[in-house]
Amino acid sequence: QVQLQESGPGLVRPSQTLSLTCTVSGGSIGIGTFYWSWMRQSAGKGLEWIGRVFVSGNTNYNPSLKSRVIISVDLSQNQFSLNLNSVTAADTAVYYCAREAFFSNRAEVPPVFINWFDLWGQGTLVTVSS
Amino acid sequence: QSVLTQPPSVSAAPGQKVTISCSGSSSNIGNNYVSWYQQLPGTAPKLLIYDKNKRPSGIPERFSGSKSGTSATLGITGLQTGDEAVYYCGTWDSSLSAVVFGGGTKLTVL
Repeated sequence: QVQLQESGPGLVRPSQTLSLTCTVSGGSIGIGTFYWSWMRQSAGKGLEWIGRVFVSGNTNYNPSLKSRVIISVDLSQNQFSLNLNSVTAADTAVYYCAREAFFSNRAEVPPVFINWFDLWGQGTLVTVSS
Repeated sequence: QSVLTQPPSVSAAPGQKVTISCSGSSSNIGNNYVSWYQQLPGTAPKLLIYDKNKRPSGIPERFSGSKSGTSATLGITGLQTGDEAVYYCGTWDSSLSAVVFGGGTKLTVL
């Protein structure tokens, strides 16, 4: 079965770049029916969507983080990655990678979108501190 | 402040039914489909409901989803102590071109 696993430093200095990788095992990331997403969750808080990447390299980002985020995919390694720059203590959180099914019916006006996250990594805690 | 609004907490006795609401707008719930997730303490969220009230393999029929206008509801019947968790709703927001989540609802089974 397909599994996702986050990896990367657990401690990042303020103003530096947070870099995480999600390795997909048990299946190919290149199957063109899924988006590959990053979410995060601060202590005691709710889920925050960071952004996603399609196998083509197309991306969508949370407008509140867009200026600091880059998500990319490496088909040869069956991985996708998150880079968040200029981090502060507010970026301390558990970071999750997830697989997203996403469909649209553009014959409708306005188009109808259907999405869900069916597979999640276990999460990795990243602390921003000097 | 989350784009989707959920009650912070709900509670009910074992064996009873509970509903969790998720309120949004025409650009998200009003036009698109809602998914629901269960997050047990210390674990990653797990998909409960997706598409038109579909359940992934292994999710019991006790869990159901519905939508009316710009609000969605998760229903859980035959409550068990193992259902104690935080529940999140999520959907695509067409105006933001982004995924949005509710703030989460903590379910306590008394």
